[in-house]
Amino acid sequence: AQKVTQAQTEISVVEKEDVTLDCVYETRDTTYYLFWYKQPPSGELVFLIRRNSFDEQNEISGRYSWNFQKSTSSFNFTITASQVVDSAVYFCALSDPSNDYKLSFGAGTTVTVRA
Amino acid sequence: GAVVSQHPSRVICKSGTSVKIECRSLDFQATTMFWYRQFPKQSLMLMATSNEGSKATYEQGVEKDKFLINHASLTLSTLTVTSAHPEDSSFYICSAIILAGGYEQYFGPGTRLTVT
Repeated sequence: AQKVTQAQTEISVVEKEDVTLDCVYETRDTTYYLFWYKQPPSGELVFLIRRNSFDEQNEISGRYSWNFQKSTSSFNFTITASQVVDSAVYFCALSDPSNDYKLSFGAGTTVTVRA
Repeated sequence: GAVVSQHPSRVICKSGTSVKIECRSLDFQATTMFWYRQFPKQSLMLMATSNEGSKATYEQGVEKDKFLINHASLTLSTLTVTSAHPEDSSFYICSAIILAGGYEQYFGPGTRLTVT
């Protein structure tokens, strides 16, 4: 069974602070995909990143960075120098191709960035 | 990138009526689409997998007779909430897959259903 845990329910920071969102996953498969999505108040999901299980390189995209640690089954997400526009709910998700590519979402972490 | 649309974006209906939500892939063909439901302050929960030309596969606990899914073409899937009740009020989101794109799901903007 797939499972994604986002232990942090809410995080509040002041603008320009860094914020790290934790994601821990469980799967019995060796091939899988991990995702992060942003859901602003409008409700539309915004795709941030996809990582397959064989690519453990960390990635940086602007102020966003991701740390994939297969040894600890974690795929953490850091926003550097946060901005008010980063305020949203962030979801980590896991997809297993043998399960018809269904996405299992974590509970989400609400990030509030105060000016 | 791939675009998925949903219509309507918001709908209010009376209890006992049926509501149809459309999900379209605008610039690609999607053999598989997914329907999710999201209650306030909760995560997305998969309701069903919709495959073009075949019956939808429903997740455990989702009533197939209440949530009718039709995937008549490679660009359109519809979700009909039959005999809607206030507890069906939720945010419904669809997604579509491009197999050649590495199985990434492209999400629609969502439909907010309110049943009065």
